[in-house]
Amino acid sequence: SYELTQPPSVSVSPGQTARITCSGDALPNLYAYWYQQKPGQAPVMVIFRDSERPSGIPERFSGSRSGTTVTLTISGVQAEDEADYFCQSADNFGTYVFGTGTKVTVL
Amino acid sequence: QVQLVQSGAEVKKPGASVKVSCKPSGYTFTTYGISWVRQAPGQGLEWMGWIDTYSGNTNYAQNLQGRLTMTTDTSTSTAYMELRNLRSDDTAVYYCARSPGVQLFPPFYYYLDVWGKGTTVSVSS
Repeated sequence: SYELTQPPSVSVSPGQTARITCSGDALPNLYAYWYQQKPGQAPVMVIFRDSERPSGIPERFSGSRSGTTVTLTISGVQAEDEADYFCQSADNFGTYVFGTGTKVTVL
Repeated sequence: QVQLVQSGAEVKKPGASVKVSCKPSGYTFTTYGISWVRQAPGQGLEWMGWIDTYSGNTNYAQNLQGRLTMTTDTSTSTAYMELRNLRSDDTAVYYCARSPGVQLFPPFYYYLDVWGKGTTVSVSS
């Protein structure tokens, strides 16, 4: 399988915009998904199929893709957005792959 | 609403086996697959494998093949994950998550849209 690379950490002030990138050579082949995980909790999907938002996820969460990189953007960051974020995709054999994870700190 | 309820925490000795259950509710069990994901303390997410609840087809991560078995019981709508020959580095929180079932034609979707709360498995002598 292949690797998905994320920055280890992103720091942002409340109300500002956080952008988290996820890069992988095989990303163009399949959709990417994003998950938020708060301490002691299970992950929650916040973006599916690159840029779609599940019901109940705030509009400030958005996703985009450019070539071999997908990006999760959190606009107008709030204190409650402080969490770990993981991207995820798969290879052509149905093997799921997670990104390395990014810790978002709200200053 | 859709929920996945997992079995309770386990403490095992090296070399033993563990079997974790996952019981979904809020949807028809056989219309989705189940994936298992684990997270070692302070680490990222590791996908372990997937089972199609309708056919029983499985796809395991290469590094766990030979030690891992995923099964389902459609009579009780429950999925199971068994890991054998446990080592200390198998200590982790184990999650089940709803995934698509078998997909025959593209586009293919590989997602985990609803997760269980996790089962802590500790392996120590």
